[in-house]
Amino acid sequence: AQSVAQPEDQVNVAEGNPLTVKCTYSVSGNPYLFWYVQYPNRGLQFLLKYITGDNLVKGSYGFEAEFNKSQTSFHLKKPSALVSDSALYFCAAGGGGNKLTFGTGTQLKVEL
Amino acid sequence: NAGVMQNPRHLVRRRGQEARLRCSPMKGHSHVYWYRQLPEEGLKFMVYLQKENIIDESGMPKERFSAEFPKEGPSILRIQQVVRGDSAAYFCASSRGLAGVVEQYFGPGTRLTVT
Repeated sequence: AQSVAQPEDQVNVAEGNPLTVKCTYSVSGNPYLFWYVQYPNRGLQFLLKYITGDNLVKGSYGFEAEFNKSQTSFHLKKPSALVSDSALYFCAAGGGGNKLTFGTGTQLKVEL
Repeated sequence: NAGVMQNPRHLVRRRGQEARLRCSPMKGHSHVYWYRQLPEEGLKFMVYLQKENIIDESGMPKERFSAEFPKEGPSILRIQQVVRGDSAAYFCASSRGLAGVVEQYFGPGTRLTVT
């Protein structure tokens, strides 16, 4: 069975500073990895995905994620955080078949 | 291009009643997924459907829950005889037809409250 772990319930960062939201995964076979963002009372918005190829994936709103096979990680990063980035972030993995397995989410808070 | 549509956005039911949640996928998408989000938890997969077919229902509770995606019309998630533990946000997602490699696009969710 596949699993996704987001070890931090909350991440606080000052605006303008770099941010990292951590994710580790456990899947059999080649992993398909995704990041989604959820704003209050809204659905999830797709940010980026890793299927194959370059380990550094660029996505929406200036976010990127680094796939590390040896550490089974897929951390979300942004060079300069904005207050508007404050939201709930979910890492997800897909393996064989179409269902996604989600982590429990990390609340990102960007402060002035 | 309209996104994934879900209705109602909020639904209140008394214990024992039935809840019907509707989902219209994005234009051009033929695959629909239902997920449940309990308070303070991530999303849990429930069921994956294509038109007139249930592909994977491994996340569906064995009783009271059913889903369909008819040839015409929206996908329906039906919960019979609701209990308080069914209170959650139910999200529908859709994708194109390529298995396992395409992102899923999510609707705004239906928040079910069972009183």
